[in-house]
Amino acid sequence: DSGVTQTPKHLITATGQRVTLRCSPRSGDLSVYWYQQSLDQGLQFLIQYYNGEERAKGNILERFSAQQFPDLHSELNLSSLELGDSALYFCASSVAGRPNYGYTFGSGTRLTVV
Amino acid sequence: AQKVTQAQTEISVVEKEDVTLDCVYETRDTTYYLFWYKQPPSGELVFLIRRNSFDEQNEISGRYSWNFQKSTSSFNFTITASQVVDSAVYFCARAPSNTGKLIFGQGTTLQVKP
Repeated sequence: DSGVTQTPKHLITATGQRVTLRCSPRSGDLSVYWYQQSLDQGLQFLIQYYNGEERAKGNILERFSAQQFPDLHSELNLSSLELGDSALYFCASSVAGRPNYGYTFGSGTRLTVV
Repeated sequence: AQKVTQAQTEISVVEKEDVTLDCVYETRDTTYYLFWYKQPPSGELVFLIRRNSFDEQNEISGRYSWNFQKSTSSFNFTITASQVVDSAVYFCARAPSNTGKLIFGQGTTLQVKP
């Protein structure tokens, strides 16, 4: 157990639907990151939050949004789902918003859009 | 884009062979961090090593060793006396020191046959 909890582990949904992925960071970590791993794009950075505020944005689609709550857990919302959104979504956390202390990854949420 | 390149898509070796996974990165940053992660068939991302750009010392951890050469922008990973359990996808990644965003290579799939 890495200390980063992602739920659910698996999700199957239909095109056009909306889903919410949840991430609880490791205790003491203030920063949360979301990554998407797909066959064609590889591992791509989506977005970073630090203590409730958006810190950095990557290749995140407009149909996707995220937030970090006061208790530091984070949610990634994916809407108007398309087949191409099927992927493994990872959450990672770190003490600060920089790489010098490294990152802890969760085990991922596998999303299948049918 | 300041990308990370893992030119070897797939490598297949026989158990007990040594194998080197190549990683080349592009950056204009003065300070940055380099990482290696392992992704076994179960899907989670397992942290292997973090290296600061100022620290060019090679590192050995059991059967694993890493060769960082700033002059050639390379951070190669060698597994000595490979084992079947080493079969996985290995990712090299880079993060600038002033952001938390990880830029991943496309990954190298290593298959170790008995």
